[in-house]
Amino acid sequence: TQLLEQSPQFLSIQEGENLTVYCNSSSVFSSLQWYRQEPGEGPVLLVTVVTGGEVKKLKRLTFQFGDARKDSSLHITAAQPGDTGLYLCAGFSGGTSYGKLTFGQGTILTVHP
Amino acid sequence: GAVVSQHPSWVICKSGTSVKIECRSLDFQATTMFWYRQFPKQSLMLMATSNEGSKATYEQGVEKDKFLINHASLTLSTLTVTSAHPEDSSFYICSASPGAGTQYFGPGTRLLVL
Repeated sequence: TQLLEQSPQFLSIQEGENLTVYCNSSSVFSSLQWYRQEPGEGPVLLVTVVTGGEVKKLKRLTFQFGDARKDSSLHITAAQPGDTGLYLCAGFSGGTSYGKLTFGQGTILTVHP
Repeated sequence: GAVVSQHPSWVICKSGTSVKIECRSLDFQATTMFWYRQFPKQSLMLMATSNEGSKATYEQGVEKDKFLINHASLTLSTLTVTSAHPEDSSFYICSASPGAGTQYFGPGTRLLVL
């Protein structure tokens, strides 16, 4: 069974601070996706990283895929209250997994004005 | 693009009744659809994987006779919670995949069983 350890589980910060969320696994993933979810809504895909060492930027969000494709991080610069939500990482292992994703436990981010 | 809808968005029912939730991919064909359950402030828990025209594959611990899944077309999958009880109250989310591990999620259905 593949596991994806996401940390921290809870993060409460002030507006303007920086933060990093980590996802780590002992398994190799073909790709890794990051989602953001607001209460009462479904997760929204932020980014997919595919290549080991890949770095993608989405405005103030920077996503990195580890060289060995076993871990990933999400860094937010100058967080804003609108960034508040549940952040989920999910790994796709490919092969015969029929597209199943392995989800991390999630990080609840609260940004205070 | 890649819009997935769910209906209803919320439902309240009496204990013992059955509830059907629909999941549709609106602008793409989904070879596979997934059904998840989510408890407050927790991650998604996969219930079953559904491929069009074949039986769903359920995760360990999920009762297939309790949660009936039908995937009749490449754009529609349904989840029926049979004989619902209060412990079935939860947030149910579907996702649709056009392939290669990408999943697009629906907005979720809040179920409350009284």
